[in-house]
Amino acid sequence: GAVVSQHPSRVICKSGTSVKIECRSLDFQATTMFWYRQFPKQSLMLMATSNEGSKATYEQGVEKDKFLINHASLTLSTLTVTSAHPEDSSFYICSARSGGATNEKLFFGSGTQLSVL
Amino acid sequence: RKEVEQDPGPFNVPEGATVAFNCTYSNSASQSFFWYRQDCRKEPKLLMSVYSSGNEDGRFTAQLNRASQYISLLIRDSKLSDSATYLCVVKYSSASKIIFGSGTRLSIRP
Repeated sequence: GAVVSQHPSRVICKSGTSVKIECRSLDFQATTMFWYRQFPKQSLMLMATSNEGSKATYEQGVEKDKFLINHASLTLSTLTVTSAHPEDSSFYICSARSGGATNEKLFFGSGTQLSVL
Repeated sequence: RKEVEQDPGPFNVPEGATVAFNCTYSNSASQSFFWYRQDCRKEPKLLMSVYSSGNEDGRFTAQLNRASQYISLLIRDSKLSDSATYLCVVKYSSASKIIFGSGTRLSIRP
């Protein structure tokens, strides 16, 4: 089945640094990828929709200048958390769509646990 | 009101029991429905899609009620390995947007 690879799986960084997370679709092309954030014991919250070759669409309340998304190819989307602060510590997960209108499925990366000290 | 709502649980049931949970959605333009399973600190994994006529996959049965705007998941003969959080997922056709419910935690005890 379709595979989505996400790296790194865990990041510990100092406050004020930037962190880049990569999401790759390994055996299919994904024109659309999604970035989610999940706090402990809470559900996945959609942050933004990443579209290949165009600007990402951000959900209300998500700062586009803080969470930079780049989707330069059909198999790679990156999320950069700029000037990270402790409140940005969370589990970040990407997903990619596979299939057409009638058999669409969503596959997830394994997630990145970000801890900002 | 949340777009997709689930009872957070936890549901704590003995091994072998049958358990069911519902998920309600607010937007009637919703197009597709899915159940995902998420283990602690892992990525969600697709359990099954939910079709209008209802569908079954082994011990799992999913149903959709468009009139009342809810979907359900039934697990028969529950196993210890079924312990997880079950996420209801709704896709809206108009915005091509996918929304997750907050999840229902299920714990199966020996």
